Amino acid sequence: DIVMTQSPDSLAVSLGERATINCKSSQSVLYSPNNKNYLAWYQQKPGQSPKLLLHWASTRESGVPDRFSGSGSGTDFTLTISSLQAEDVAHYYCQQYYSTPVTFGQGTKLEIK
Amino acid sequence: QVQLQESGPGLVKPSETLSLTCTVSGGSMNSYFWNWIRQPPGKGLEWIGYIYYSGGTDYSPSLKSRVTILVDRSKKQFSLNLNSVTAADSGTYFCARGETAMLPYFDYWGQGILVTVSS
Repeated sequence: DIVMTQSPDSLAVSLGERATINCKSSQSVLYSPNNKNYLAWYQQKPGQSPKLLLHWASTRESGVPDRFSGSGSGTDFTLTISSLQAEDVAHYYCQQYYSTPVTFGQGTKLEIK
Repeated sequence: QVQLQESGPGLVKPSETLSLTCTVSGGSMNSYFWNWIRQPPGKGLEWIGYIYYSGGTDYSPSLKSRVTILVDRSKKQFSLNLNSVTAADSGTYFCARGETAMLPYFDYWGQGILVTVSS
């Protein structure tokens, strides 16, 4: 299984500041024939189901604010929120869909400082 | 707008079978993966398995011996059976649509159903 490890486990950022969450996979999730990274990011607010934010590591879903962006390739990825808003308080998860079983990171809890 | 809704019992006895159904509305079941994902209380997400619209399945190796996922396209439903449950199987169970790639990422989710395993 590909192990997904997120850092940090929790993060407190001031409103309007940048938040950065890292995700590292135990093996590459880059598929060379199409040069795509099989990596998605989700946001889960308390009491809600997860919401897909990004897939292919950096492709934003329709309706997701452009303050959310993804970067990285191979085994190292980053989710960045450029200017934290109060409604961004949530847990964030990365997920690989390169090999079975699909696996998630353990999650990062994002709070307001 | 695609919507998914889980249904089933919220309480299951140890050693019995957990059975859940997910009803899909607002879209076709064709060309997608249909998944079950669970979340123990206060913990992270665990993929259980999927059924592809054509009927093919894939399950997490850690649960494979106990899991069956079936689809009823006429009712636009798919189901999860997890047998020989223990307290470790307690948590919120989500159904989710998987977009087609080599394997799925999950673009639509149900609201989740809390299942407790207890006598």
